[in-house]
Amino acid sequence: DQQVKQNSPSLSVQEGRISILNCDYTNSMFDYFLWYKKYPAEGPTFLISISSIKDKNEDGRFTVFLNKSAKHLSLHIVPSQPGDSAVYFCAASGLGTGTASKLTFGTGTRLQVTL
Amino acid sequence: DGGITQSPKYLFRKEGQNVTLSCEQNLNHDAMYWYRQDPGQGLRLIYYSQIVNDFQKGDIAEGYSVSREKKESFPLTVTSAQKNPTAFYLCASGDRSYEQYFGPGTRLTVT
Repeated sequence: DQQVKQNSPSLSVQEGRISILNCDYTNSMFDYFLWYKKYPAEGPTFLISISSIKDKNEDGRFTVFLNKSAKHLSLHIVPSQPGDSAVYFCAASGLGTGTASKLTFGTGTRLQVTL
Repeated sequence: DGGITQSPKYLFRKEGQNVTLSCEQNLNHDAMYWYRQDPGQGLRLIYYSQIVNDFQKGDIAEGYSVSREKKESFPLTVTSAQKNPTAFYLCASGDRSYEQYFGPGTRLTVT
């Protein structure tokens, strides 16, 4: 049972345009969401996160939007750059603060930014 | 340099042999995790440990074992009971926040 879903396995975007990566979840107990970026044969690196008490979080070119009623979040990258080409994983956690979090990951979306 | 190290980067074993993957962190994190990545399946949690001398099964623990004798170390043993051991294995650590920090991974090939 996939509790975190990334329905688009791949996405191709031109350099300079906006990249929008989507993620849906089914577990209403999730209260914190993260995006990780991963290059081949490397470990994922943390990109940006959002708490369920917010609906938007921005960090430079990256913005994450959360729609709790739809159980949907999205990552916007503006403007997209060739170095953004990687696999992006959405992850969710249902534990409160003060304890180590268990993350549930989506299956990833491969973003290719073309020249 | 603070971080997580995993060794070796590539590992080859014959079917039926147990193999241990190393994971060390110097971030002073209490929690450590082991994930497995297969093509098209994202990251799946094998085992995790919130504190020394304690660990819990994740979603796919069958055929694996771990130990947590030191805060810095969380080795994973892939036993001969694991039916499909060939995969990319990722170790991570975290403090009391939600963010986890990942090592570079070990690609295990069993033939």
